[in-house]
Amino acid sequence: DAKTTQPPSMDCAEGRAANLPCNHSTISGNEYVYWYRQIHSQGPQYIIHGLKNNETNEMASLIITEDRKSSTLILPHATLRDTAVYYCIVRVGGGNQGGKLIFGQGTELSVKP
Amino acid sequence: GAVVSQHPSWVICKSGTSVKIECRSLDFQATTMFWYRQFPKQSLMLMATSNEGSKATYEQGVEKDKFLINHASLTLSTLTVTSAHPEDSSFYICSAPTRADEQYFGPGTRLTVT
Repeated sequence: DAKTTQPPSMDCAEGRAANLPCNHSTISGNEYVYWYRQIHSQGPQYIIHGLKNNETNEMASLIITEDRKSSTLILPHATLRDTAVYYCIVRVGGGNQGGKLIFGQGTELSVKP
Repeated sequence: GAVVSQHPSWVICKSGTSVKIECRSLDFQATTMFWYRQFPKQSLMLMATSNEGSKATYEQGVEKDKFLINHASLTLSTLTVTSAHPEDSSFYICSAPTRADEQYFGPGTRLTVT
C-alpha cells in the first residue's frame, strides 16, 4: 500500500473550515484514499473515502487532485469536538472486504475557541 | 453506521496471567477482523488479521504464541494475551470491515499489567 505524508499538527478556529492535507505521490490506480480520526482514548472513526472523484458526506468533503498524488479533507465548520488525530490511509479497497489499514502518524488537529 | 463492540473496556491483571479481549460486530457479519495496539502518544500498530474459520495472520514481529486470536463466528473475534507482562500494557483496538468496505473500530480495551 502507498505511503502517506501528513503535517504532524494543525490549528483551526472554531466555526472555520479545517483543511487537512495528505500527500500520497506513490498511489496506484486501484488504491483508494481513506480518512479516519481518533479522539483521545477512543477507537478510530471512519470519515470518508474516495478513488478519484471528490466525495462529500455529512461529516466532511474529500478533494482528490487530478493526478491523485494528494488530497485534502475538509471539515466545513469545525467545532471543538472535531479536535482529534486525523489519519489519511491509502489502500486497495472499494468493496474488497478484508483489506487492512496501515496507520501513519496522522495530523493532530486542535480546534480553538 | 455499523457498530463494533469490545469487552472489557479496561482490565488490570497481574504479571504472568492471561487476559482475553472480545471484539463483536453487532449489526453486520465480518469474515475478517483486525487487531491493533496503541501505546501512549503513538499511532495504531496492526498486530494481526483474524480470519473466520481459519488461522490468524500476524504482522512481522508479533508473537503469535503470545497473542492468541480466535475468530469463532462471523461476529466474534477474541484476542488472548498470554503470560502478560508490564510491557504488554497498552490500548488494544479491533476493527471489522462491512461489505461496503467501511471499516469500523471498537472503542478499545485498556490493558494494565501490574
